[in-house]
Amino acid sequence: GQSLEQPSEVTAVEGAIVQINCTYQTSGFYGLSWYQQHDGGAPTFLSYNALDGLEETGRFSSFLSRSDSYGYLLLQELQMKDSASYFCAVRDRAGRRALTFGSGTRLQVQP
Amino acid sequence: IAGITQAPTSQILAAGRRMTLRCTQDMRHNAMYWYRQDLGLGLRLIHYSNTAGTTGKGEVPDGYSVSRANTDDFPLTLASAVPSQTSVYFCASSEVSGANYGYTFGSGTRLTVV
Repeated sequence: GQSLEQPSEVTAVEGAIVQINCTYQTSGFYGLSWYQQHDGGAPTFLSYNALDGLEETGRFSSFLSRSDSYGYLLLQELQMKDSASYFCAVRDRAGRRALTFGSGTRLQVQP
Repeated sequence: IAGITQAPTSQILAAGRRMTLRCTQDMRHNAMYWYRQDLGLGLRLIHYSNTAGTTGKGEVPDGYSVSRANTDDFPLTLASAVPSQTSVYFCASSEVSGANYGYTFGSGTRLTVV
């Protein structure tokens, strides 16, 4: 079956850098996505990696290593508003874009 | 504002009752999805549709049905609700091809089955 592992909780201070890891075990792999979800809100799309390497979007970066079945989300210059849950998700089949999500990492940013 | 509209926002439903959760998008996305979110379990795929007229089963389809009569609407029906279907339900859409892989999610329906 499919499985994605990510830490359940991470705590960091404002202005710091935090890395949220995700390891996956799936029958197929076509890309790794990251989503942010604030309490009571809907998930919002952050990034997508189909190839190995680092993708940067402002303060957020996402990394993928397909040989290690591993990726991470890097958040720099943390702000209080970054306190949220972060989900990695794998696209595991060709011809469709349905995603399998991890159980999420709750990030708490402290002053 | 382009996006996804879900209705109702929340509902308390008696066990055994039938209910349809509504989802409408105005982005002309080909693909649509229904996920349920339970504490500690992340989002789990119930059903999906790659294009109007086609649907597929996800990870947890039992007890749910969907239809996709047109591009914009993707309703989810619970034929006979059970307490284990208490959850937050999210509808989402995406492109089915091209370089934009991100999902757009609706604001969710919080369903309590009693």
